[in-house]
Amino acid sequence: GQQVMQIPQYQHVQEGEDFTTYCNSSTTLSNIQWYKQRPGGHPVFLIQLVKSGEVKKQKRLTFQFGEAKKNSSLHITATQTTDVGTYFCAGPFSSNTGKLIFGQGTTLQVKP
Amino acid sequence: ETGVTQTPRHLVMGMTNKKSLKCEQHLGHNAMYWYKQSAKKPLELMFVYNFKEQTENNSVPSRFSPECPNSSHLFLHLHTLQPEDSALYLCASSQDVGPYYSNQPQHFGDGTRLSIL
Repeated sequence: GQQVMQIPQYQHVQEGEDFTTYCNSSTTLSNIQWYKQRPGGHPVFLIQLVKSGEVKKQKRLTFQFGEAKKNSSLHITATQTTDVGTYFCAGPFSSNTGKLIFGQGTTLQVKP
Repeated sequence: ETGVTQTPRHLVMGMTNKKSLKCEQHLGHNAMYWYKQSAKKPLELMFVYNFKEQTENNSVPSRFSPECPNSSHLFLHLHTLQPEDSALYLCASSQDVGPYYSNQPQHFGDGTRLSIL
């Protein structure tokens, strides 16, 4: 069945270092969404990418959607302790039913 | 304040108990979702409702029974659960589902932490 894989599963960085998480789908996606879940919190929507090759920025966060629309990445420049959490990508399984397939997430730890 | 409120926040129940989880959204959305989040596992979609109609049942065991009386409220009725059902249960809502809405962003509640003894 359709799968969305994320790597790495965990990443520990020193504050100020960069961080990247990668998302790969077994099928072409019409769009991809990214969410962040802080420890003890709930997933919060960050962004949606729709177009092939699309790049979007939110301050220190850069999101990319691959040309083939089967992969995506999230890059954080100069991490801060507030970036700690788990980052999930999610792709639509079916737009008719609203079903999203979530990746297993990348948990980021930032050492001050 | 997320606009999606879940109660209770924590629930401990025995395997023979019957309990219900409640979700209410104040965002004017038409679609609501139940997810299960277990340690070291991806978020698992359980059910989707759009305009009170169930559009997705992701092969969920019958011991979980959803109810959606209107677009603002969603319940998950629990009975004879198993220890492996212990998890965080998250409710979410989005504006709508369907081919014209391209899977709109989902807004999550804080979840109910469920422990089965």
